[in-house]
Amino acid sequence: QQQVKQSPQSLIVQKGGISIINCAYENTAFDYFPWYQQFPGKGPALLIAIRPDVSEKKEGRFTISFNKSAKQFSLHIMDSQPGDSATYFCAASARSSGSRLTFGEGTQLTVNP
Amino acid sequence: GAVVSQHPSRVICKSGTSVKIECRSLDFQATTMFWYRQFPKKSLMLMATSNEGSKATYEQGVEKDKFLINHASLTLSTLTVTSAHPEDSSFYICSAPWGISSYNSPLHFGNGTRLTVT
Repeated sequence: QQQVKQSPQSLIVQKGGISIINCAYENTAFDYFPWYQQFPGKGPALLIAIRPDVSEKKEGRFTISFNKSAKQFSLHIMDSQPGDSATYFCAASARSSGSRLTFGEGTQLTVNP
Repeated sequence: GAVVSQHPSRVICKSGTSVKIECRSLDFQATTMFWYRQFPKKSLMLMATSNEGSKATYEQGVEKDKFLINHASLTLSTLTVTSAHPEDSSFYICSAPWGISSYNSPLHFGNGTRLTVT
């Protein structure tokens, strides 16, 4: 019930391509869905987040698409760059748990030059 | 912007000794901080929630006597790994919510502490 399933585990994309990472959840109480980017040896950094009252949020090259009925959300990275190579985590939290996040398993993205 | 500082970034200790890791919120106050553990190429596992002025809340399976948490002020939480053993070697990361209320406040992470127990 508390899990967030993330796929794919790893992704290789050519420079300029679109990277797509998907997440699915079961807990209908989840109402906040952030994405984090983590470089090796560093802590995760908040990338973008969405709440279920909107179906899409865009910030620069990063877009979150949210499908409430399917309980799925995804991250799209447009015009992917080698500097985007990192591990990406989706997460979710519910009002009842404050800022306590449940993380997906992570996706290791490699963008080839 | 909100910054969470974690110290030390790396520590090597001998088996049986204790190690303290500090987590500070630099430009905001945090009544709650979270401590995570991350194994190589794995996701973040929540260990405990640190509450300023009260006892920490530990996740199931986390030994509270082994991982001592103290949240002495609104900007500082510490994690002490007591009687460390090689299996405690891991990447420990703290985080704090930045916002007026803890509900859905963006969670900002420190840069982690790589603990190696020899």
